[in-house]
Amino acid sequence: GGIITQTPKFLIGQEGQKLTLKCQQNFNHDTMYWYRQDSGKGLRLIYYSITENDLQKGDLSEGYDASREKKSSFSLTVTSAQKNEMAVFLCASSTRDRGDTQYFGPGTRLLVL
Amino acid sequence: GDSVTQTEGLVTLTKGLPVMLNCTYQTTYSPFLFWYVQHLNEAPKLLLKSSTDNKRTEHQGFYATLHKSSSSFHLQKSSVQLSDSALYFCALKGTQVVGQLTFGRGTRLQVYA
Repeated sequence: GGIITQTPKFLIGQEGQKLTLKCQQNFNHDTMYWYRQDSGKGLRLIYYSITENDLQKGDLSEGYDASREKKSSFSLTVTSAQKNEMAVFLCASSTRDRGDTQYFGPGTRLLVL
Repeated sequence: GDSVTQTEGLVTLTKGLPVMLNCTYQTTYSPFLFWYVQHLNEAPKLLLKSSTDNKRTEHQGFYATLHKSSSSFHLQKSSVQLSDSALYFCALKGTQVVGQLTFGRGTRLQVYA
């Protein structure tokens, strides 16, 4: 088994602020993902990475940067937080197999004042 | 591109009754379908998955059959329990590109005593 850890659990920011979310996995998975979860909109892919130092944009990449310096960690940066923004950011990992399960972390809850 | 459509919004049921949560999809590739369940304030977890046409797959009392002829992968359970109250996501891996899972918007199931 393994686990995905996300830090922080809660993040309160100010409008225009740059905010960084971190994710660690000990599954030894190649691929890692960042999703945004908004009520009523499902999970939308922001960035993913198929190996160390690789980055691929998802449908929602505008306004975000990502970084994969190690196989076990994947960071996401909100480049300029939007006022009244409220969402949950979920990190996930999987092997490269097409039918493989994505394992999710508990999420980081963002609120921008 | 790929898309997933689920039963909209909230489904409420009394415990012991059967449930079916609808999921239909569109893709030009050979589909791999997933159901994820997310309990309140928890990470999404895989419930079941399939890429085999007309074969029923089951887990924890839930079951689904992939029907390629109708592009459907509906989730069913014959008798819901209070603990089944959660958010359910249908997801599609259609494209051959690693990492591209397309999620539906989610269906919230609320079971009452």
